[in-house]
Amino acid sequence: AQSVTQPDIHITVSEGASLELRCNYSYGATPYLFWYVQSPGQGLQLLLKYFSGDTLVQGIKGFEAEFKRSQSSFNLRKPSVHWSDAAEYFCAGNTDKLIFGTGTRLQVFP
Amino acid sequence: EAGVAQSPRYKIIEKRQSVAFWCNPISGHATLYWYQQILGQGPKLLIQFQNNGVVDDSQLPKDRFSAERLKGVDSTLKIQPAKLEDSAVYLCASSLEALPIHFGPGTRLTVT
Repeated sequence: AQSVTQPDIHITVSEGASLELRCNYSYGATPYLFWYVQSPGQGLQLLLKYFSGDTLVQGIKGFEAEFKRSQSSFNLRKPSVHWSDAAEYFCAGNTDKLIFGTGTRLQVFP
Repeated sequence: EAGVAQSPRYKIIEKRQSVAFWCNPISGHATLYWYQQILGQGPKLLIQFQNNGVVDDSQLPKDRFSAERLKGVDSTLKIQPAKLEDSAVYLCASSLEALPIHFGPGTRLTVT
C-alpha cells in the first residue's frame, strides 16, 4: 500500500540551529512529493514540491528538500531556524491521490 | 489571488445532530477536495470533485457524510447524524489541474 512516513512526532531545536525533518515514502513508482506547513488554527501551506529533475528543491521561507531515490526519502532542511518556524510539518506523496504523513511538530526555543 | 474560503471556522454540535460546511475554491480551479484531519494525524481525503463530478469518494462514510458541488464551483459537505469520532478539522482544497493542491483554513468540528 502507498504510504508516507514521518518518523519524528516532535522535534525541538534552538533558534538559529539547523533543522532536518525526515520523510520516507513507499510507492510502486516515484510519486510527486510535497512538504506542507500548518500553523495553529491555520490551513496547510505548501513549502515546496518535487516532480522530477533536480533532486534538491528550494521552497519558500528558506526551506529546501532533497529527494533520494535510493533511500525513498524526501527530507526537509533549513540551515537556521527562526522562532516563527514553530508549526506542524507534513510530508505528502501523490500518484493518484495525495497521501499525508502523520506530521512532525517543530518547537523552537529562543 | 484569493485563497480557498471555508465557513464556518468553528462548529460545536451534539452527537446525532447534523452539520454542514461550505467551501469556495480558488477561482478557476476545476478540482475540489474535502479532507478530514483528526487531531494528531495527517489529513485524509474524503472526496474529490472534478468540476461537478465525483472522481474519488472511496473514503467517504456514505451512511452519514454527503457532499455536493453545485455548478462546479462552491461545495458543501454535510454530516448527518454526527458521531463523536467525527470531531476533526475539515479542510477544503482546490487545484487548477492536478497539483499542487491549495488548502483553505479549515473548519474545526467538535461533537459532544
